[in-house]
Amino acid sequence: GAVVSQHPSWVICKSGTSVKIECRSLDFQATTMFWYRQFPKQSLMLMATSNEGSKATYEQGVEKDKFLINHASLTLSTLTVTSAHPEDSSFYICSASGTTIYGYTFGSGTRLTVV
Amino acid sequence: AQSVTQPDIHITVSEGASLELRCNYSYGATPYLFWYVQSPGQGLQLLLKYFSGDTLVQGIKGFEAEFKRSQSSFNLRKPSVHWSDAAEYFCAVGNSGGSNYKLTFGKGTLLTVNP
Repeated sequence: GAVVSQHPSWVICKSGTSVKIECRSLDFQATTMFWYRQFPKQSLMLMATSNEGSKATYEQGVEKDKFLINHASLTLSTLTVTSAHPEDSSFYICSASGTTIYGYTFGSGTRLTVV
Repeated sequence: AQSVTQPDIHITVSEGASLELRCNYSYGATPYLFWYVQSPGQGLQLLLKYFSGDTLVQGIKGFEAEFKRSQSSFNLRKPSVHWSDAAEYFCAVGNSGGSNYKLTFGKGTLLTVNP
């Protein structure tokens, strides 16, 4: 079945630095990838939608200059949190879809802690 | 705009008991509906989905859900709960029209299973 690998599973970074999170589709071509943010004991909030080779579409209230999304290939999308601050600490999850509508597979998530 | 309500934040059941998790949605047309399960610190796993056809949907791990248009509901059920079912459960609704395939998630229901 469809497998999405997300790396790293957890990361600790210093305030002011940038951190990159990778989302890879291992056995299918992901034409669309979604990035979510999840606060403790809360639901998933969609941050942005990215289509391979196109600029990402960000949800209202999400800073595109802070959360840089790249989807340069059909198997890889990256989320870079730039100039991270403690309030950016959260659980970030990606999901990927191929040609099947709503064939979403989720990654295992990345726990980001900014100190 | 589409929305999902999961009325129960936390449910506790005994192992072997039956389970029903409630989900109500708001959407102008026939929605695409999903149930996901999330273990602590993990990504989301799809339990089942409804697009069209038979309103009783069978999923993995012995779960089923029934789409009731008149009640705008898509409740998740399992006849006999196992301790390994303890997790967070999310209901989600997707746009059935156009090219916007975003998912909107409910706030989740935490399931605790007592031995």
